[in-house]
Order: sequence, then C-alpha cells, then structure tokens
Amino acid sequence: DADVTQTPRNRITKTGKRIMLECSQTKGHDRMYWYRQDPGLGLRLIYYSFDVKDINKGEISDGYSVSRQAQAKFSLSLESAIPNQTALYFCATSDLQRDQPQHFGDGTRLSIL
Amino acid sequence: GNSVTQMEGPVTLSEEAFLTINCTYTATGYPSLFWYVQYPGEGLQLLLKATKADDKGSNKGFEATYRKETTSFHLEKGSVQVSDSAVYFCALDDNDMRFGAGTRLTVKP
Repeated sequence: DADVTQTPRNRITKTGKRIMLECSQTKGHDRMYWYRQDPGLGLRLIYYSFDVKDINKGEISDGYSVSRQAQAKFSLSLESAIPNQTALYFCATSDLQRDQPQHFGDGTRLSIL
Repeated sequence: GNSVTQMEGPVTLSEEAFLTINCTYTATGYPSLFWYVQYPGEGLQLLLKATKADDKGSNKGFEATYRKETTSFHLEKGSVQVSDSAVYFCALDDNDMRFGAGTRLTVKP
C-alpha cells in the first residue's frame, strides 16, 4: 500500500461545486502539505500543517481551505470551484526534523468545466 | 522571497550522453536543496539532497553540488539511460518549500 494516499485520483466537476480532496498517510509524519501543479509553473504550495492544530497558508491559498482531522489526514476543499483551479493536486508529508525530504502521493487530477 | 529557477526543457538526449540541468536559487537564509524526479502518473520522489554549502548529493549516478557562491545546484549524470526519462524538479527548503518549474528529460535509445 502507498504511504501517502490521495482520493479521488481523478475528478471532473462543474463550476460552482464544492469539492473535497482527501489525503491520508501511514508514515507517521507530522507535517503535511497540499500543492498544485500546472504546466510550466512547477509545484505551488497551497496550505501546510505542522500538526493537528496548526494550519498555514502557502503561496496560493485563495479559493481553498483545508482541514487536518488527525495526524494522518489532511483534506483540501474548493468551496466554489472555478475553471482556473483545473490542475494536478499533490499531497505530501515530511518528518518534523529540518532538512527532511517530502513524500508525495500520486496526485489528483481535477478538471472544472 | 525565496525562489528557484531551473533550465527550461524539454531536453532530449541519446542514451549514454552527459546530462546537465541547471538550477539557481534565491534565498534569504541557508536553505537545504533538493532534486526530485517525477515519472508519468506518479508523484515526486526525492532524487538527492544537500543541506549545506559544498555538500554533494548523489544517487543512481546523479550528482549535484551545493554552491553558495554561485547560488546553484546543477544536476549532472555522466551517462543517461532511457529509464531516466522523467521530469526533474529543483527545490529549496528554508522553512518555506519552493520548487522550480520542472525540466522534462527524454532519453532516446
């Protein structure tokens, strides 16, 4: 089983809908992250969390919200989806120690029509 | 703020050719530097890292040296294989993770 699991893997929805992307991990890591990937722009950080009661905005948090339900679960919500939120979304985790690499899920491909 | 700039792709090489992918960074502190690789349909995987100036990270024949004087962390491999075809991302972590735009590498037999 994957250490970082994202659901769903693919989603097509309409403008204005509320969408939730879920991430769960079995690595026991404290830190969790949500990124979006767009062609030519690399990965951009949306939100991150260093523990259950900690939520921080990243570069591009507008239009998104997150919930850290437990150490192992971190979900991303689009309250009212718009077409320019069409992208590939990745969840990642890392250990609390500095300089540790991030471990990524396989991504959720989201299309908003 | 912090940022990473890496050479634009795509890069196409023949098998056994020498690879260089340039990466430079801007940071206010003393970041750790990483190279990640992304294969089709998958998330990013750590390829190598360096945590301080003059450190060399290496893995699977790939190398990169943390050069503080030139703020660079160029990725090199002496002889690429078809299986190295992927997208490569340079990244820095200074309590604020930043990724480059990615460079797509295609290696032809």
